[in-house]
Amino acid sequence: SQTIHQWPATLVQPVGSPLSLECTVEGTSNPNLYWYRQAAGRGLQLLFYSVGIGQISSEVPQNLSASRPQDRQFILSSKKLLLSDSGFYLCAWSRQGVRSETQYFGPGTRLLVL
Amino acid sequence: GDSVTQMEGPVTLSEEAFLTINCTYTATGYPSLFWYVQYPGEGLQLLLKATKADDKGSNKGFEATYRKETTSFHLEKGSVQVSDSAVYFCALNNFNKFYFGSGTKLNVKP
Repeated sequence: SQTIHQWPATLVQPVGSPLSLECTVEGTSNPNLYWYRQAAGRGLQLLFYSVGIGQISSEVPQNLSASRPQDRQFILSSKKLLLSDSGFYLCAWSRQGVRSETQYFGPGTRLLVL
Repeated sequence: GDSVTQMEGPVTLSEEAFLTINCTYTATGYPSLFWYVQYPGEGLQLLLKATKADDKGSNKGFEATYRKETTSFHLEKGSVQVSDSAVYFCALNNFNKFYFGSGTKLNVKP
């Protein structure tokens, strides 16, 4: 069966510090990968998605970047965090090429920038 | 572009009450439709899905029917429990791009 991991679970960082959040998927190959941000009490905002190694699409201009160094690894980064980067970050994956495919979510990382 | 609109919350119900959370969508082609549930502090879990018109998705007493004529996918449950308290998201998948509604918080009181 497939599983998706995210770490850390919780992170408190000062403004201006760098960020690296990691997401890995097990039990499948060549997945589509996604990063979402969820502000407190709000819906999901798609940040990045990737259909393969080194292929990243950005949905909104922002202070963040994403990389996919390996097939099942997706990393969200920032060089200098802003207060507005606080939120709940969710990684998700889906199978490629299947119209009816479900998206599967990781447990999330709660980021607080102070 | 494609989008999903769902009713704003919070929705507060007493235990055993009937639940409806409205969801409508805009999409080209023939998307698949989903309901996800998010419990406090957790990621989203798939609740149910439907892949074509008139399909009914069901799980844990929840149901939703894919209505192409009204572009809707309303979530229903006949008798809610306190444990159903969570945030519910309607979503669609169109050509492997996913679009989510803003979420509806459900509070069920004993």
